[in-house]
Amino acid sequence: NAGVTQTPKFRILKIGQSMTLQCTQDMNHNYMYWYRQDPGMGLKLIYYSVGAGITDKGEVPNGYNVSRSTTEDFPLRLELAAPSQTSVYFCASSSTGGSGANVLTFGAGSRLTVL
Amino acid sequence: AQKVTQAQTEISVVEKEDVTLDCVYETRDTTYYLFWYKQPPSGELVFLIRRNSFDEQNEISGRYSWNFQKSTSSFNFTITASQVVDSAVYFCALSAARDGNNRKLIWGLGTSLAVNP
Repeated sequence: NAGVTQTPKFRILKIGQSMTLQCTQDMNHNYMYWYRQDPGMGLKLIYYSVGAGITDKGEVPNGYNVSRSTTEDFPLRLELAAPSQTSVYFCASSSTGGSGANVLTFGAGSRLTVL
Repeated sequence: AQKVTQAQTEISVVEKEDVTLDCVYETRDTTYYLFWYKQPPSGELVFLIRRNSFDEQNEISGRYSWNFQKSTSSFNFTITASQVVDSAVYFCALSAARDGNNRKLIWGLGTSLAVNP
């Protein structure tokens, strides 16, 4: 059982470049999320999705886009990379009810540096 | 407004000591969940526990225990006989039970625990 898989683990971008962080989960979770973690700042929600075809903004969505064409995949796109987007990005998923309700399963993280 | 405060930014203990990580929360919701997650040096985030607001029973899992007190709005985490492998950043988080999609999951800033041999 792979859980939540993120790629790439590390990436260096130049200012203005674009890239997509991939995220896939095999737990049939309806809810998926993208967080960023900056040193000493905890986790901030970028975007989330409650199911295929439905996405919504979180706390810090500017500069990012997402799509959710399938239950399994939730890619995060950075269109014009800026140094402020240097961070560690986490994808997560959760089920809709029962004992797993609200419990996040995280990917291993993607460290992005924008120079 | 909802808020989670982890006042201890860093804690350093010697192996086998007991250590308590504090978490104080604020919410106007009567039904909510509290969580602890662990982030070891490898970087992944691992779920430890979820507690709902109607269950104030303390929880024990091996060397880990959690003390939930609504009267003081606290959900403290104690590690008994700490080990080097417990070294990690520990996050406390809060969500309203009606927030089923975690859109308003509130995170503390984390407590970095170093367990020295």
